[in-house]
Amino acid sequence: VQLVESGGGVVQPGGSLRLSCAASGFTFDDYPMHWVRQAPGKGLEWVSLISGDGGTTYNADSVKGRFTISRDNSKNTLYLQMNSLRTEDTALYYCAQDQSGSYLSWGQGTLVTVSS
Amino acid sequence: DVVMTQSPLSLPVTLGQPASISCKSSQSLVHSDGKTYLNWFQQRPGQSPRRLIYKVSNRDSGVPDRFSGSASGTDFTLKISRVEAEDLGVYYCMQGTHWPYTFGQGTKLEIK
Repeated sequence: VQLVESGGGVVQPGGSLRLSCAASGFTFDDYPMHWVRQAPGKGLEWVSLISGDGGTTYNADSVKGRFTISRDNSKNTLYLQMNSLRTEDTALYYCAQDQSGSYLSWGQGTLVTVSS
Repeated sequence: DVVMTQSPLSLPVTLGQPASISCKSSQSLVHSDGKTYLNWFQQRPGQSPRRLIYKVSNRDSGVPDRFSGSASGTDFTLKISRVEAEDLGVYYCMQGTHWPYTFGQGTKLEIK
């Protein structure tokens, strides 16, 4: 199993970024997928979830209305569209493979820095 | 949301000695299917989290048997029988019974 995130970078407050997570080594559409973030020196915070077929999504209250999770099962890729970014969104963003109440595998993360 | 409270937040240990981390949930983690979805993750410095334990006491493949998990009601414990240098890092409990999944604050295991 391999999960490789990309798309992070430095953006001004109010700006947008789209993160990607390329998956391999497993049947991608069999698994719900998550985005989990970690602010510098802090703990882990769940951000978004999408079902295997992409038909169901959930977002944390902290990002509701600003972030959109999606997936392209034909490309084995997970996305996170982040709009109206705030300084408190600065974090390392991980994609993670769901397995029945757990995170089975994690990517290496992509860093998002929101700063003026 | 279910609140997961870990203690201690910092755990100085001597190599070769045992270590124990506690995690308490704000409500029962027994799912309607009868299973308890309590996980433990290890995060070494500069690395992504790695799952060690799932459903309270099941070790993942490749996890040394010096790691064990147990439960008593809403209290969960991760034990390391003899700490090795490679065990240093931050440990998180995480519940997957109730939506949304929630993590404990993390316990930093460091050398005394």
